[in-house]
Amino acid sequence: GQNIDQPTEMTATEGAIVQINCTYQTSGFNGLFWYQQHAGEAPTFLSYNVLDGLEEKGRFSSFLSRSKGYSYLLLKELQMKDSASYLCAVSDSGSARQLTFGSGTQLTVLP
Amino acid sequence: NAGVMQNPRHLVRRRGQEARLRCSPMKGHSHVYWYRQLPEEGLKFMVYLQKENIIDESGMPKERFSAEFPKEGPSILRIQQVVRGDSAAYFCASSIQENQPQHFGDGTRLSIL
Repeated sequence: GQNIDQPTEMTATEGAIVQINCTYQTSGFNGLFWYQQHAGEAPTFLSYNVLDGLEEKGRFSSFLSRSKGYSYLLLKELQMKDSASYLCAVSDSGSARQLTFGSGTQLTVLP
Repeated sequence: NAGVMQNPRHLVRRRGQEARLRCSPMKGHSHVYWYRQLPEEGLKFMVYLQKENIIDESGMPKERFSAEFPKEGPSILRIQQVVRGDSAAYFCASSIQENQPQHFGDGTRLSIL
């Protein structure tokens, strides 16, 4: 089976930087995804890591360490609209078609 | 709108009725996935389909739930004889290939009275 852990809630200030961590345990590994979900809306794809290292995409970056079963999503220059739930999801090599999601981290950005 | 389209956005049913949820994938995507999200919980995988084939239904309850993706038309998730515990948001996602990023629709919020 798979186990994915991420903090339930985080709070940060507008303009700051925040790092959302995700640890996972899988029998195999075929990629890690981050999604953003605003309340009542669809999850929106943010990033995909399959190799170790940092992937940067504008204000958002995602890091992966396969040996440690660890990833983080880094959000820079926070804006009020970044208040949302951030979902970490893993695809394991045994069932590459399905994603196993963590429960999500609810980020609140304060003025 | 070239995104994943789901309808209806909201669906209310009484216990014992049938619920039919529809999903049209993004243009060019032939891989469809259904997930369920209970209040305060994460998304849970239900079923993965390609055109006319169910590839993986390991997350789908064995009874009352079924899914299809016909050659023509949208994918359908059908829940028969609904119960209160079926109340949830049901999301559909599509991808261009397996293990490529899945893109989600806005979901159908099912409420059982």
